[in-house]
Amino acid sequence: NAGVTQTPKFRVLKTGQSMTLLCAQDMNHEYMYWYRQDPGMGLRLIHYSVGEGTTAKGEVPDGYNVSRLKKQNFLLGLESAAPSQTSVYFCASSGQIGETQYFGPGTRLLVL
Amino acid sequence: GQQLNQSPQSMFIQEGEDVSMNCTSSSIFNTWLWYKQEPGEGPVLLIALYKAGELTSNGRLTAQFGITRKDSFLNISASIPSDVGIYFCAGPNSGYALNFGKGTSLLVTP
Repeated sequence: NAGVTQTPKFRVLKTGQSMTLLCAQDMNHEYMYWYRQDPGMGLRLIHYSVGEGTTAKGEVPDGYNVSRLKKQNFLLGLESAAPSQTSVYFCASSGQIGETQYFGPGTRLLVL
Repeated sequence: GQQLNQSPQSMFIQEGEDVSMNCTSSSIFNTWLWYKQEPGEGPVLLIALYKAGELTSNGRLTAQFGITRKDSFLNISASIPSDVGIYFCAGPNSGYALNFGKGTSLLVTP
């Protein structure tokens, strides 16, 4: 039982490049989330999903897209990376509304 | 979304000291959560509070759900070096996600 896993752990991109971050959970959770964490800003929600095939915008969705084709996976895409997207990205999942969220170890992204 | 304000922003204490931090909101929350994030890791849940006035302990950690439902407090007794990290409060917003405070960074010297 690995909980929430994220790949890759670290990535460097050039401005304009694209990439996909993968999140996987093995707890059969319905809800999954993508956050970004920047110094002094805490965690800010990018997008979330309340079930397979559904996605919704969070607080800072611009420049990102997501997909939830399988219940256990939640993908975060950057179509054209910008330096402002340099951040640490965390995925989380929860079983029910209002239940606690379990976080992955994070993906550190640097956009040059 | 609802704003969560944490204080202090950072604390630098000696091993053995007690620590207090708090989180306030302009809106009422029905749940308060406290997470700890160690360097290079994701946040890990420490304590969850579900009822106004509730006082819950987890080892040396004690958290309280404020009576007004607009605040919560976290205390750490007899701090040790492994308490180092960033402590976040969080509460569910009007949707399905959590609002997080900006965190209290704790440094403990031996």
